[in-house]
Amino acid sequence: DSGVTQTPKHLITATGQRVTLRCSPRSGDLSVYWYQQSLDQGLQFLIQYYNGEERAKGNILERFSAQQFPDLHSELNLSSLELGDSALYFCASSAGTKTDTQYFGPGTRLTVL
Amino acid sequence: DQQVKQNSPSLSVQEGRISILNCDYTNSMFDYFLWYKKYPAEGPTFLISISSIKDKNEDGRFTVFLNKSAKHLSLHIVPSQPGDSAVYFCAARPRANFGNEKLTFGTGTRLTIIP
Repeated sequence: DSGVTQTPKHLITATGQRVTLRCSPRSGDLSVYWYQQSLDQGLQFLIQYYNGEERAKGNILERFSAQQFPDLHSELNLSSLELGDSALYFCASSAGTKTDTQYFGPGTRLTVL
Repeated sequence: DQQVKQNSPSLSVQEGRISILNCDYTNSMFDYFLWYKKYPAEGPTFLISISSIKDKNEDGRFTVFLNKSAKHLSLHIVPSQPGDSAVYFCAARPRANFGNEKLTFGTGTRLTIIP
């Protein structure tokens, strides 16, 4: 158990809809990262938050947004969903220091029908 | 542009023998490298890491070797055990500074340990 929690575990929705994925980092970790893993692909970095502020952005679509709240949990919002958004979405957290390791949650499997 | 490459999608090894998983990278700014192991329906689990100032790091049955001139790293598992069967991801990160801690992942190698 990494200490990172994600909800829900599975999500099935229709094209055009909007969903919210939630992540709670390990206790004490200030950085939260979101990654997307499509079928048989590596994990692609989407976005990072550090102590409530956006810190880095990857190839995140404009239809996607995220935020980190004062209690350090984070939410990833996906809107106007398309079939191609079906993927595993992972959240990771780290302390935020120079050589710290990112620890991953169990992921949310999103299926868009 | 695949900056981190794992060219072997799968590998099968007899139990008790050595498993060697390989990873190549192209970005010379990468400074820190990690290996993660992933079981189905679970998130990646951190295994071992290495900084570019080292060429070897060992943790129990796991050793990571880094060859900076060749931009190549490898993970050695010895002896291999059935519980090692999983997908292994190589990941890399540039020198950590503000806004530069994202990991770039390879596509993974599925390791199967044969009893």
